[in-house]
Amino acid sequence: EAGVAQSPRYKIIEKRQSVAFWCNPISGHATLYWYQQILGQGPKLLIQFQNNGVVDDSQLPKDRFSAERLKGVDSTLKIQPAKLEDSAVYLCASSTSTGWVKTAGANVLTFGAGSRLTVL
Amino acid sequence: AQSVTQLDSQVPVFEEAPVELRCNYSSSVSVYLFWYVQYPNQGLQLLLKYLSGSTLVKGINGFEAEFNKSQTSFHLRKPSVHISDTAEYFCAYSGGYQKVTFGTGTKLQVIP
Repeated sequence: EAGVAQSPRYKIIEKRQSVAFWCNPISGHATLYWYQQILGQGPKLLIQFQNNGVVDDSQLPKDRFSAERLKGVDSTLKIQPAKLEDSAVYLCASSTSTGWVKTAGANVLTFGAGSRLTVL
Repeated sequence: AQSVTQLDSQVPVFEEAPVELRCNYSSSVSVYLFWYVQYPNQGLQLLLKYLSGSTLVKGINGFEAEFNKSQTSFHLRKPSVHISDTAEYFCAYSGGYQKVTFGTGTKLQVIP
């Protein structure tokens, strides 16, 4: 099966500019996650969708970050305006999970290669 | 809040030596534990998972981990490492609902 697709792989922008990342999950995966991975740290969940609804966005800086998954398939993460501290790899992942984990392995995540953002 | 703690940020080990990467988790009613590996400039990929059943879990590339409920640990082990195992390893935890929380990672450096 095709994996999780992300683009662009690399992006360099200046602070206060905007940027958008795109993710296409594995076909049929109901849940989509965006993680932020700052150099030297573990991935931090920004937002989690189940189909086209938001399950968790408690750690998303909503004054500058936004994300959507309009048709319950692919998703876009936007940053506007960007700050220096937004420099990170943005990882998209998907899983078959559709709620409380009843099926073994349902919350196993499949990750894309990531989008590396450098803010100057 | 659920959490995982990876006690070592870096672990250097000689090639063909054994290695253990440590992970502790916060207790919860339902526990699902994972180890992911991240090679340079790549996304994370699943190494192994504990969902239920046997506490000794075997994964890809010769890695295994043991779920210890009394010590709330899920340490990763390999009896003999190779150069190709050089990567960053992340322990992850899910408490039963969909949210998956990652540790800060352990960089394994295999020395020839």
